[in-house]
Amino acid sequence: AQTVTQSQPEMSVQEAETVTLSCTYDTSESDYYLFWYKQPPSRQMILVIRQEAYKQQNATENRFSVNFQKAAKSFSLKISDSQLGDAAMYFCAYMNYGGSQGNLIFGKGTKLSVKP
Amino acid sequence: DSGVTQTPKHLITATGQRVTLRCSPRSGDLSVYWYQQSLDQGLQFLIQYYNGEERAKGNILERFSAQQFPDLHSELNLSSLELGDSALYFCASSFRGGGQETQYFGPGTRLLVL
Repeated sequence: AQTVTQSQPEMSVQEAETVTLSCTYDTSESDYYLFWYKQPPSRQMILVIRQEAYKQQNATENRFSVNFQKAAKSFSLKISDSQLGDAAMYFCAYMNYGGSQGNLIFGKGTKLSVKP
Repeated sequence: DSGVTQTPKHLITATGQRVTLRCSPRSGDLSVYWYQQSLDQGLQFLIQYYNGEERAKGNILERFSAQQFPDLHSELNLSSLELGDSALYFCASSFRGGGQETQYFGPGTRLLVL
């Protein structure tokens, strides 16, 4: 079974600085998807970024980028120019590729605080 | 606003009772997922429906059941409730399912079992 591990329960960053959240996963599959979701205090789950395992290029979305290391099964999220609105729980998630079964497997989350 | 609606937003009930949580997917989405978020278990996938049929099952207890209706809304039924069932229950939807599509999450139903 696939597992997702986030080893940093809490992180803190100064406003305008850069922070990196870590995620490792375990799978025997060669094709899969990886995601980072944000959960602000409102509890809404918001997709931040997605990476397809077959793509070597790291995904980027504005201030958010990932460092995907397939061999190491590592998928970290870098947030640049951190803003107060980035304060939230961040969940790393995995999904098998193919078919229409698309259930997400989540890590335990990292709580990010942003200091003004 | 994701376009996914869930009712009710909050639910307080007693042990042994039964509740029904409702979810309406985004317009056009055929696939509905249910997730449970609790302090001790984290976010767990419960069950997926696609166009009215069960597609995948996760860590869903036998006391829990779900269905998706012809109008594509879904209901999650929780029975013989226990204190440990207190959690935030999310519904998410996507067009057909699979990782190439974004799953849009509803605001969740917060269940408290006393």
